[in-house]
Amino acid sequence: AIQLTQSPSSLSASVGDRVTITCRASQDISNALAWYQQKPGKPPNLLIYDASTLQGGVPSRFSGSGSGTYFTLTISSLQPEDPATYYCQHFNSYPHTFGQGTRLEIK
Amino acid sequence: EVQLEESGGGLVQPGGFLRLSCAVSGFTVTNNFMNWVRQTPGGGLEWLSIIYSDGRTFYADSVKGRFTISRDASRNTLYLQMNSLRPEDTAVYFCARARGGNAAHKTVSESWGQGTLVTVSS
Repeated sequence: AIQLTQSPSSLSASVGDRVTITCRASQDISNALAWYQQKPGKPPNLLIYDASTLQGGVPSRFSGSGSGTYFTLTISSLQPEDPATYYCQHFNSYPHTFGQGTRLEIK
Repeated sequence: EVQLEESGGGLVQPGGFLRLSCAVSGFTVTNNFMNWVRQTPGGGLEWLSIIYSDGRTFYADSVKGRFTISRDASRNTLYLQMNSLRPEDTAVYFCARARGGNAAHKTVSESWGQGTLVTVSS
């Protein structure tokens, strides 16, 4: 099975900061990667698929990039509502594994 | 409006079984790709299973042979039959509607239920 490794596992940033989370795949998955945001007590919310395509209704401060084995999720200007845990998930083959998550907090 | 609501969770002894249901509205379960995903007490997400609109199914190795995904068109409901339950199956179980279409991202979970808690313990 393909493994996804996210880094960092947690981070703290200030409102207005640019934040980047990385996701590395154990083998080439082309652009078959999605990013989710999850807030406590809520299900995950799809942000990005195909590595860089923004899901409808998601603010444009979120962006994704990468292909092959290296991917990033960037928040261009951190907002007070963005603290959450962020997960990557690949859909290149089964099983569609998730990364372990990155917990984002506001300083 | 697309809505998904899981039910059927609860406390079960190791070796026991449960059937989870996911009642949907706003779309037809048999015309869509549907996923089951669980979240462990430690917070990690684990993809479990998918059923395609054509009925094909796929499973994670951790549940293959023990869990079965199915659907009922007349009830517009998705199911997850879980047998031979283990303590490590303790989690919140989510059903999710996938994006669909013909591209590779057709299996990406787009709309989610709120989840149902399964606890496996003696």
